[in-house]
Amino acid sequence: GDSVTQMEGPVTLSEEAFLTINCTYTATGYPSLFWYVQYPGEGLQLLLKATKADDKGSNKGFEATYRKETTSFHLEKGSVQVSDSAVYFCALSPGEGRRALTFGSGTRLQVQP
Amino acid sequence: GAVVSQHPSWVICKSGTSVKIECRSLDFQATTMFWYRQFPKQSLMLMATSNEGSKATYEQGVEKDKFLINHASLTLSTLTVTSAHPEDSSFYICSASNPGLAGETQYFGPGTRLLVL
Repeated sequence: GDSVTQMEGPVTLSEEAFLTINCTYTATGYPSLFWYVQYPGEGLQLLLKATKADDKGSNKGFEATYRKETTSFHLEKGSVQVSDSAVYFCALSPGEGRRALTFGSGTRLQVQP
Repeated sequence: GAVVSQHPSWVICKSGTSVKIECRSLDFQATTMFWYRQFPKQSLMLMATSNEGSKATYEQGVEKDKFLINHASLTLSTLTVTSAHPEDSSFYICSASNPGLAGETQYFGPGTRLLVL
């Protein structure tokens, strides 16, 4: 079945550091890929998405590129801020009429001033 | 962006009672709503998918008679945990989608924390 694997956290960085959170997936067909963010005490918010190979999703300085050859969708940000501290979830939607999301385990990011 | 609300945000109940959780899409019509469960420090696990006006589709291992889902309108879905037990304590999250408006994007509610004593 479909699955998403994320790097384990927590990831602790200093403000203005470069961020990479790895995400790889297993799926049949052509899934859409997503990154969701969950701030403390809040629900999940869509951060960015990509629907086909080589697409790059971007939002709020975060980027992720859909790499079909490596089945990856790594999240990157050039300069993190304290306000980026949250849990980040990688997810896929299998498509082909099936829209329920399969989530990775989540990666907690802690940014220190 | 699309807004999804859940009510209540948290609930404490005694073992054996039933609890109803509401999920509402506030500014769009949700043809499909999803219910997820999240245990502490773990990821979201899909429980069921509900389409407006039809029966919900449950994931393997989820008891449909225990977790009753009703999606009576395009803006409201309810999850009722019947005869709740302490092992049902969890964070329940709904999401809503409308492929005609936003493709495969799901919009999530803030979640409902259930504690069964």
